[in-house]
Formats: sequence, C-alpha cells, structure tokens
Amino acid sequence: SQKIEQNSEALNIQEGKTATLTCNYTNYSPAYLQWYRQDPGRGPVFLLLIRENEKEKRKERLKVTFDTTLKQSLFHITASQPADSATYLCALGRNAGNMLTFGGGTRLMVKP
Amino acid sequence: EAQVTQNPRYLITVTGKKLTVTCSQNMNHEYMSWYRQDPGLGLRQIYYSMNVEVTDKGDVPEGYKVSRKEKRNFPLILESPSPNQTSLYFCASSHRDGAYEQYFGPGTRLTVT
Repeated sequence: SQKIEQNSEALNIQEGKTATLTCNYTNYSPAYLQWYRQDPGRGPVFLLLIRENEKEKRKERLKVTFDTTLKQSLFHITASQPADSATYLCALGRNAGNMLTFGGGTRLMVKP
Repeated sequence: EAQVTQNPRYLITVTGKKLTVTCSQNMNHEYMSWYRQDPGLGLRQIYYSMNVEVTDKGDVPEGYKVSRKEKRNFPLILESPSPNQTSLYFCASSHRDGAYEQYFGPGTRLTVT
C-alpha cells in the first residue's frame, strides 16, 4: 500500500543552523509534491510545490528537492529562526491531481 | 481578504445526532476538499469536489456526505455521528485541483460523545 513517511520525532536545532526535513514515500509515483507548515490548532499553510520533472525549488530561506529515484524529498530551512518552529507536512499527488495524500508531519523546534 | 471559513469552530454533540459543518471560500476556486486530522494518522482526505455538482470520495469517506450546489460552499454532513468521528476537520480549496496550492480553513474541532 502507499506510504508517506516523515520523521515523527521532533527535530531540535539551534537558531541560525539549517534545518533539513525528509519525506520518503513507497508504492507511489507522484507527479508533484507540496510542503506545508502547520502551527498548533491552525490549518496548514502552503509553502512550496515541486513537480516530478524538477530537481530543486527555492523560495527565500526555503529549499526543497525531489528525487524520484530515491523516492524522497528534502525540505531545508536555512538560517533558521525560533519563528520557524512548527510542524511541517509533505503532501503528494498524481497527475490530474484530484487527491492529495499527506505525511504525518515533522515537528521542528528552533532554539534561540 | 482571501479566505476559507468554517463553522462551527468547536462542536460537542452526541452519537446519532445529525450535524453539518459549513465551509465557504471567497476566491472563486473550483476545487474544494475536506480532511480530518488525528494524532498519529495525519491529515486524511474525506471528500473532494472538482466543481459544482461534482464530488468524489477521498481516503476515508465512510460516515460522511458532502454536496456542492454552489461554487463557494462545500458543507460536510454527518448523518449519524459516532465517537470515532471525533477529530479535527479542515476544509481546503484551490484554484483548479490538488496539484495547486491548497488554502485551508481554520479547522473545526468535533467531539462526539
């Protein structure tokens, strides 16, 4: 069956360092992958989308990579700040993208 | 302000009492969907709609109904709620389909006793 795995353990890093979050998938051939940020008690907020024919996407301090051979996406936050502390979700979809399937999310804690 | 609104935000009800959670978006989006979020299970899609009068099942549709009579509204109906439907529910919309940026509502926390 399809499986999307994100590290369920919290990632703790020091302010100013680069945070790297992973999203691995099996039995799935996604056409695109999205990353969202979710704060406690609030709805997810879209961050980045990357398609299967793209290797890397950047937006300000954010960078996402997509390796369809390894079946993995990496999400990087450079020069991390305490305000970046949140849960980050990856979501995969197929062509004609009617459905999105989300991973369980990874909680990031950035300490000052 | 572009937004997705949900009502109510919090609801405590009893088993078997029909309820409706409303969802509305003001961005003229074609695609709308409902998710539930449970600890350890993440966000799971319940139903989605590609346009007015077009709806389809997601991963966990059992026990839920939806309708899309107007483009801006996509209510979630629980005909006979059960305790296993206690969850945090999110409505989302996007320009065209799941391949585009999803705008999520603030969530509805439902407790069924």
